Amino acid sequence: KQEVTQIPAALSVPEGENLVLNCSFTDSAIYNLQWFRQDPGKGLTSLLLIQSSQREQTSGRLNASLDKSSGRSTLYIAASQPGDSATYLCAVRLTGGYSTLTFGKGTMLLVSP
Amino acid sequence: DTEVTQTPKHLVMGMTNKKSLKCEQHMGHRAMYWYKQKAKKPPELMFVYSYEKLSINESVPSRFSPECPNSSLLNLHLHALQPEDSALYLCASSQAASGLTDTQYFGPGTRLTVL
Repeated sequence: KQEVTQIPAALSVPEGENLVLNCSFTDSAIYNLQWFRQDPGKGLTSLLLIQSSQREQTSGRLNASLDKSSGRSTLYIAASQPGDSATYLCAVRLTGGYSTLTFGKGTMLLVSP
Repeated sequence: DTEVTQTPKHLVMGMTNKKSLKCEQHMGHRAMYWYKQKAKKPPELMFVYSYEKLSINESVPSRFSPECPNSSLLNLHLHALQPEDSALYLCASSQAASGLTDTQYFGPGTRLTVL
C-alpha cells in the first residue's frame, strides 16, 4: 500500500527565507505527484503537478522536483512571504485504474513578518 | 473558469436528520470526487464518479449516498449520521477519472457538524 510522508510536520520561518518542504512515497509506480496548498478550513488549491517522466516544475516562486526512483519530491519556496502561510500537501497518483490520490499529512507553514 | 463550488459552506445536523451536500463545476470535467477530511488529517477519498457513473466507493457506510444527476453536479445525501462523521467534506473534479495528466480541482468544502 502506498504511503506518503511529509517532513517536517510544521515549519516556522521569518519572511524572506527560502525553504524546502519534503515528501516521500513508498511505491515508485506513480503517474504523477501533485502539491496542494490548504488554508485553514478551506479547500485545496493545486500548486504544481509533476508527471512521472518529469524532474521538476516551476510556477513563480515555487519549484517542485521529483526523483521517482528514490521516492522523493521537494517543494522549494523562494523568498517566503506571510501570505505563504498555509498547510502544504503532496499527493501521488498511482498507476493504473482511476485517478485516485494518496495524500501525505501535510506540512503546516508559518511565515512571520 | 477553474472553480468548483460547494453548498452549503457550513451544516449542522442531528443524527436523525436527512440533508444533502451539493457540488457544481462548469469546466466540462467528466470525473468528480467526494473526499472527507478530519481536522489535521489529509483528505480521504470516498467516491469517484466517471461520466456520471459511480466508479469507486471506498467502503463508505451506506448513510452516505452519492448522486450525480448530470455531468456538472454531484450530490452527497446524508442520513442517520454519527457525531464521528463531523468533518470537512471536499468535492473535486478532473477532466477524466483515468487521465494521466489531470489536475484535480477542489471546492472550498462543506464543514459538517453532527450533533
